[in-house]
Amino acid sequence: SQKIEQNSEALNIQEGKTATLTCNYTNYSPAYLQWYRQDPGRGPVFLLLIRENEKEKRKERLKVTFDTTLKQSLFHITASQPADSATYLCALGGNTPLVFGKGTRLSVIA
Amino acid sequence: GAGVSQSPRYKVAKRGQDVALRCDPISGHVSLFWYQQALGQGPEFLTYFQNEAQLDKSGLPSDRFFAERPEGSVSTLKIQRTQQEDSAVYLCASSLAQGYEQFFGPGTRLTVL
Repeated sequence: SQKIEQNSEALNIQEGKTATLTCNYTNYSPAYLQWYRQDPGRGPVFLLLIRENEKEKRKERLKVTFDTTLKQSLFHITASQPADSATYLCALGGNTPLVFGKGTRLSVIA
Repeated sequence: GAGVSQSPRYKVAKRGQDVALRCDPISGHVSLFWYQQALGQGPEFLTYFQNEAQLDKSGLPSDRFFAERPEGSVSTLKIQRTQQEDSAVYLCASSLAQGYEQFFGPGTRLTVL
């Protein structure tokens, strides 16, 4: 069955550093991959979508890479701020419904 | 106008009761999705509508779960004879079409006692 792993449950980094979150998957060939942010008590908020034929996507301080050979996506937040503290979810999509990972809880410490 | 709204935000039910959860998607969004999110987990797909047609209900955990979207806008997720394992946050999302970004509502937190 499809399996998605996000590198760790929690990640603590210092303000100003670059946060790197990992999403690995097996038994799946997604047409695209999405990243969402979720704050406590709220629904996920869409951040970026990257398609299987794209290597990299950027949006402001965010960068996503997608390596279909390694079956991995990396999500980077540069110049991180305490306001970036949240849970980040990766989700795989294609001909089947979106499959979400468990998420990584990021804490940016001032 | 506003984003996706869900009601109620919180629901406490006694085991065996029926509950109905409502979702108001963004106007004009063709696709509507329901997810179940347990504590510390990512959302898990339940069912998908394209307009009023329920195209995929493979994620519904049992025949106690039923969803409808009769006029292609508002959707209701109904859970009959609730069990304790049904306790979770139920999220609704809408999008222009499948494969596009999804806009999520705040969720309904269901607690079954």
